[in-house]
Amino acid sequence: GENVEQHPSTLSVQEGDSAVIKCTYSDSASNYFPWYKQELGKRPQLIIDIRSNVGEKKDQRIAVTLNKTAKHFSLHITETQPEDSAVYFCAASITGGGNKLTFGTGTQLKVEL
Amino acid sequence: ETGVTQTPRHLVMGMTNKKSLKCEQHLGHNAMYWYKQSAKKPLELMFVYSLEERVENNSVPSRFSPECPNSSHLFLHLHTLQPEDSALYLCASSQQPSGGGIPYNEQFFGPGTRLTVL
Repeated sequence: GENVEQHPSTLSVQEGDSAVIKCTYSDSASNYFPWYKQELGKRPQLIIDIRSNVGEKKDQRIAVTLNKTAKHFSLHITETQPEDSAVYFCAASITGGGNKLTFGTGTQLKVEL
Repeated sequence: ETGVTQTPRHLVMGMTNKKSLKCEQHLGHNAMYWYKQSAKKPLELMFVYSLEERVENNSVPSRFSPECPNSSHLFLHLHTLQPEDSALYLCASSQQPSGGGIPYNEQFFGPGTRLTVL
């Protein structure tokens, strides 16, 4: 089955700096890659996603890049703000029956003032 | 109530108890999911229901028994659990494209039930 690895597990940046979180996946058939943000004590919420027919997608301060050949994708957050502090999860969808997402282990991002 | 709701929000049970977790989605979606979230581990998919039929059972022990009576409600029945089953149980829903195929649509999560097994 699909295996998703995510790095780093923790990331601390200064406010205004950029943050990058990287994920790799194992199943070359995967073609949908969402990113979820989970604030402390709250539910995961989708912040951006990318399909395998594009290499990059941007939404304001957030961007995601996908390298299908290398089977890795990354989340980029620019001009970080304290409210960006949360756990971020990447995921990959595996083809076949059912809506199955395989998640990474999460990255705890802390934006320091 | 909007989105995805879950009850109870917190549950403490003994290993011999029987309890049920409830999830309700108010989004008109046709697929629902149960996930387990433990500390330091990725979100683990447990069950997927699509159009009220179970389409995925991710090697979950039989002490967890899901039920999906209609497209808006999902239950997780618990019995003879172990302390290692203590975790946050998250429900989610999405709109699966008609005709099956890969999921392109966002999964909306509920707030979760924090389960502690003593």
